[in-house]
Amino acid sequence: DSGVTQTPKHLITATGQRVTLRCSPRSGDLSVYWYQQSLDQGLQFLIQYYNGEERAKGNILERFSAQQFPDLHSELNLSSLELGDSALYFCASSVDETSGGPRQFFGPGTRLTVL
Amino acid sequence: GESVGLHLPTLSVQEGDNSIINCAYSNSASDYFIWYKQESGKGPQFIIDIRSNMDKRQGQRVTVLLNKTVKHLSLQIAATQPGDSAVYFCAETPMNRDDKIIFGKGTRLHILP
Repeated sequence: DSGVTQTPKHLITATGQRVTLRCSPRSGDLSVYWYQQSLDQGLQFLIQYYNGEERAKGNILERFSAQQFPDLHSELNLSSLELGDSALYFCASSVDETSGGPRQFFGPGTRLTVL
Repeated sequence: GESVGLHLPTLSVQEGDNSIINCAYSNSASDYFIWYKQESGKGPQFIIDIRSNMDKRQGQRVTVLLNKTVKHLSLQIAATQPGDSAVYFCAETPMNRDDKIIFGKGTRLHILP
């Protein structure tokens, strides 16, 4: 158990809909990262927040947005969903703001299926 | 462009043998490298890391080797066990703190009985 929690574990929705994925970082970690993992693909970095502020941006679509709240939990909002958005979405946390190191601790992921 | 890649998508190893998983990176400015293990249905789990000022680092049953000359990273797993079955990702972090961690596509390690 990494200490990072994500809800829901599974999410099935239809094209055009909007969903919200939630992440709670490890106790004491200030940075939260979001990743997308498609079938047989590597992890694609989406966005990072540090202590409530956006720190780094990766390959995140304009239809996607995220925020980190004062209690440090984070939400990833996915809107106007398309079939290609079906993927595993992981949240990770680390104590440091540097998007590279130190090590990141990953949550169990949310599997999103868009029908 | 910058990329982190793995030479083989699938590696089959006999139980008890040593496993070697390879990774190539293209950014010579990368400073920090990490190996992650991802078991089916779970999130990636940190295995071992190495900084660019080192060429070898050992953990419990695992060793990471870094060859900066040819920009190559490898993960060696000693006495491979069934529990080692997973997808292994290498990740690369450039020195510039504004650059993002880049993950390779992963190698699936399959343990033969």
